[in-house]
Amino acid sequence: AQSVTQPDIHITVSEGASLELRCNYSYGATPYLFWYVQSPGQGLQLLLKYFSGDTLVQGIKGFEAEFKRSQSSFNLRKPSVHWSDAAEYFCAVGAEGNEKLTFGTGTRLTIIP
Amino acid sequence: KAGVTQTPRYLIKTRGQQVTLSCSPISGHRSVSWYQQTPGQGLQFLFEYFSETQRNKGNFPGRFSGRQFSNSRSEMNVSTLELGDSALYLCASSRTGDGANVLTFGAGSRLTVL
Repeated sequence: AQSVTQPDIHITVSEGASLELRCNYSYGATPYLFWYVQSPGQGLQLLLKYFSGDTLVQGIKGFEAEFKRSQSSFNLRKPSVHWSDAAEYFCAVGAEGNEKLTFGTGTRLTIIP
Repeated sequence: KAGVTQTPRYLIKTRGQQVTLSCSPISGHRSVSWYQQTPGQGLQFLFEYFSETQRNKGNFPGRFSGRQFSNSRSEMNVSTLELGDSALYLCASSRTGDGANVLTFGAGSRLTVL
């Protein structure tokens, strides 16, 4: 069975500082990996995805993530955060052939001036 | 183009009642998935429909059901509501449902059970 662990429930960073959100997954085959962001009262918006190929993927809003098979990780990074990045971030794993995604518990990001 | 539309956005029900939630996918999308989001359990997969057929089902009791119409619109129904069914119900659509397409989520239907 597939699973996702996001070890950080809540992270606070200063505006302009760098950010890294951790994600570890468990899946027997090559996973499809995703990062979604959710603002209060909203649905989920895709930031980026990894299916295959280059292990460093670029997403929207200046985010990137790196797939490391040896560590079963898919960490999300941003070099300089903006106040508008405050939201909840979810890592998810899926598989070829179906649309079922397994989500992590999320990391709530707070930005301080 | 229009996104995924979920109706109603908010609703309040009492225990024992039933509820029907609606989801209109992006035009051309044939796969519709439903997720339940609660503070305690997080985001959990309910079921997925493709071309009017349920292809995947999560670990939820039979009180949770769904269907998809020929125009790809989908509904989910929860019967005999319990307090624990209070949640944000999210619908997502994708073009082919083969896992390689991005899920686009709606804003959700927030259900409160009193």
